[in-house]
Amino acid sequence: EAQVTQNPRYLITVTGKKLTVTCSQNMNHEYMSWYRQDPGLGLRQIYYSMNVEVTDKGDVPEGYKVSRKEKRNFPLILESPSPNQTSLYFCASAHQGLKTQYFGPGTRLLVL
Amino acid sequence: AQSVSQHNHHVILSEAASLELGCNYSYGGTVNLFWYVQYPGQHLQLLLKYFSGDPLVKGIKGFEAEFIKSKFSFNLRKPSVQWSDTAEYFCAVNALGAAGNKLTFGGGTRVLVKP
Repeated sequence: EAQVTQNPRYLITVTGKKLTVTCSQNMNHEYMSWYRQDPGLGLRQIYYSMNVEVTDKGDVPEGYKVSRKEKRNFPLILESPSPNQTSLYFCASAHQGLKTQYFGPGTRLLVL
Repeated sequence: AQSVSQHNHHVILSEAASLELGCNYSYGGTVNLFWYVQYPGQHLQLLLKYFSGDPLVKGIKGFEAEFIKSKFSFNLRKPSVQWSDTAEYFCAVNALGAAGNKLTFGGGTRVLVKP
């Protein structure tokens, strides 16, 4: 089944404790992206990747890192999480041309 | 940079009523347009999309949207809603040729359909 998976689905952590949210897709998509969803703000793009070893900042990259060492994986790294990073995070993937993005199930993060 | 506006943050209506959600974007070039739906507790699902051709597009679950280029709009419609249409709806725009290959989302509209 074609899908985008994220882990963990729920995470509670404390300020400053490094964490990684994994994202994996099995559709051989070149493009992958991370969004955060906050009430009233819709989805805002954090980082995206056009292909392996090619990443770029989205609209709200501060406090986040990503890597794209393999085509299928695009982990999101919070080196020193802060409470303002409490949010719902979605990973998405698409073929080049961005005709349709497929979204993962989301990761709900709470930073205390 | 492109932006997307959804005018209504919350909409409450009864079953069988008609629904129209507004979406306007700011970008002068060619765009791909999308409507996504997020049911409570679930991830985003694609409702419909417009790339080119007939500006009236039909999607799943009886939804349709009309692209009006002169108004920079892509409004979503459904003639008769059901309780199961309770969800949050997001308009998204991919500005072709703009810097940063990304989807820009509107702020979302929460729709509550009363039984």
